[in-house]
Amino acid sequence: DGGITQSPKYLFRKEGQNVTLSCEQNLNHDAMYWYRQDPGQGLRLIYYSQIVNDFQKGDIAEGYSVSREKKESFPLTVTSAQKNPTAFYLCASSILSRNTEAFFGQGTRLTVV
Amino acid sequence: DQQVKQNSPSLSVQEGRISILNCDYTNSMFDYFLWYKKYPAEGPTFLISISSIKDKNEDGRFTVFLNKSAKHLSLHIVPSQPGDSAVYFCAAVNNQGGKLIFGQGTELSVKP
Repeated sequence: DGGITQSPKYLFRKEGQNVTLSCEQNLNHDAMYWYRQDPGQGLRLIYYSQIVNDFQKGDIAEGYSVSREKKESFPLTVTSAQKNPTAFYLCASSILSRNTEAFFGQGTRLTVV
Repeated sequence: DQQVKQNSPSLSVQEGRISILNCDYTNSMFDYFLWYKKYPAEGPTFLISISSIKDKNEDGRFTVFLNKSAKHLSLHIVPSQPGDSAVYFCAAVNNQGGKLIFGQGTELSVKP
């Protein structure tokens, strides 16, 4: 089955620790995205990548880092510099041509204690 | 700066009636618009889309209308069913950058 997989579904970390969220897709999509969902604020774009070894900051990139070493993988690191890391994180992918929808993973709920 | 806005955080509709969810945008460079449906603790699923060259797109019970001059789009669900209860997100794509920008979402509750 083709799809996009995020792991783990739930993640707990102590304050001050970096944590990496995994996102893998086997849809052969060029573009991949990371969003963060907070109550009442919709989905806010953290980073996106349209090609291997290249990525761009979204609207709320501070305190986050990404890499795109392989087409299939777009891991997100939440660093200790992120002031409010507790949130629901969503990864998505899409083909690069215009007028096409993005497909989402099931999300990772990160809780920092 | 919120480029895609859904000003109604929630909407309650009786089963069988029409649900109308609204979305406004500010960026005239957006040329493709999408609606997603989301259940708690799950990823959003694509529902329906519309290109800026159209003013209406229909798929079964779902119809999206686009008014470019008003920078407004709406999603109509008719007839509404209890299984439609979810959060609905409007999204837009910039024709220059390909970024997918979402609104804040509207929580729809369809009561039997």
